Amino acid sequence: AQKITQTQPGMFVQEKEAVTLDCTYDTSDPSYGLFWYKQPSSGEMIFLIYQGSYDQQNATEGRYSLNFQKARKSANLVISASQLGDSAMYFCAMREGRDDKIIFGKGTRLHILP
Amino acid sequence: DAGITQSPRHKVTETGTPVTLRCHQTENHRYMYWYRQDPGHGLRLIHYSYGVKDTDKGEVSDGYSVSRSKTEDFLLTLESATSSQTSVYFCAILDPPERNEQYFGPGTRLTVT
Repeated sequence: AQKITQTQPGMFVQEKEAVTLDCTYDTSDPSYGLFWYKQPSSGEMIFLIYQGSYDQQNATEGRYSLNFQKARKSANLVISASQLGDSAMYFCAMREGRDDKIIFGKGTRLHILP
Repeated sequence: DAGITQSPRHKVTETGTPVTLRCHQTENHRYMYWYRQDPGHGLRLIHYSYGVKDTDKGEVSDGYSVSRSKTEDFLLTLESATSSQTSVYFCAILDPPERNEQYFGPGTRLTVT
């Protein structure tokens, strides 16, 4: 069974609009962490943001924030005021507390339109 | 910059030959990971390491082995390369516990003909 699901294979968003990229996860471990990454067309993987399951507040890093809804098992990435440079693949990933594996979803390709 | 390098960056090899990819880090991180990336599959975990000589299997470990004899080096070996192992291979480190940030190397593009 898939542990990390990203249901949007692709998205088109107008520049300067906010973007929400969906991520749902499946785990029975009470301790886990969720990661988001960006992969531009150049191919490098860039870490964006991390949320721990016990963190009281939603994580934020600049224009990136994580909308963490534990009961729904969702960890959506929100990008405020999108820019052309945000066009990329975005991956959600999870690490369960019982081991050190970090497992990825299949990604969402985001296109920002001028 | 987490100081992660991968070598080689590109390799073409023939079916049946052994191949070793190297991941090198300079900052003494305990956790290291090998992933492969293929279209439509995202990144899939091959093997990971949580210390010198401490390794474990990931999601797609068949046909791959790893070794970590020094903190800074994590080697991925394809014992007998097959065309299905044509992929882009990424190495990564994890920087817990203070930041829980995972940083990636630049990737190795491997083609098995």
